[in-house]
Amino acid sequence: NAGVTQTPKFQVLKTGQSMTLQCAQDMNHNSMYWYRQDPGMGLRLIYYSASEGTTDKGEVPNGYNVSRLNKREFSLRLESAAPSQTSVYFCASSESEARDTQYFGPGTRLTVL
Amino acid sequence: QKEVEQDPGPLSVPEGAIVSLNCTYSNSAFQYFMWYRQYSRKGPELLMYTYSSGNKEDGRFTAQVDKSSKYISLFIRDSQPSDSATYLCAMKSDASGTYKYIFGTGTRLKVLA
Repeated sequence: NAGVTQTPKFQVLKTGQSMTLQCAQDMNHNSMYWYRQDPGMGLRLIYYSASEGTTDKGEVPNGYNVSRLNKREFSLRLESAAPSQTSVYFCASSESEARDTQYFGPGTRLTVL
Repeated sequence: QKEVEQDPGPLSVPEGAIVSLNCTYSNSAFQYFMWYRQYSRKGPELLMYTYSSGNKEDGRFTAQVDKSSKYISLFIRDSQPSDSATYLCAMKSDASGTYKYIFGTGTRLKVLA
């Protein structure tokens, strides 16, 4: 039982490049989330998916897109990376949007040069 | 003013000390209060969850919510070097359709052996 897994663990991009961050959970959770964590800013919600087939914007969605591929997988795409997107990205899941226990993955450290 | 304020620390204490970590908030609609522990280069893990006001105890950890003062606390008794981590508070309102947690920026705790 791996919980929430994220790939890759580290990534360096040049400005303008694109990439997709992958997230998968094996807990049969309905809801999944993408956060970014920056020094002095705390965790901020980028996008979330309350259930399979639905996605909604969070606090800081600009420059990102998401896909809820199936119940297990939720990907985050940067179409044209900018230095301001240098951050640590966390995926999380919960049984439902009403359930408050969010389980986090280990994170992806992204640097955009 | 941020919705949730948390002293970033670092807070250094000797092993065995009682630790008090705190967050203040401005949104009186918050009803769900969580504390997460985050070790360096890892994802946050849920420590304590409290609904509305009151205290909750789990082993060496006690979470306290004072809604009248908009103030929450996490107490750690008999602190251990393994408690050295960043502690994040998080809160959420009960409003319909509000799936967003608001996280504090985290307090870094060092327990010295």
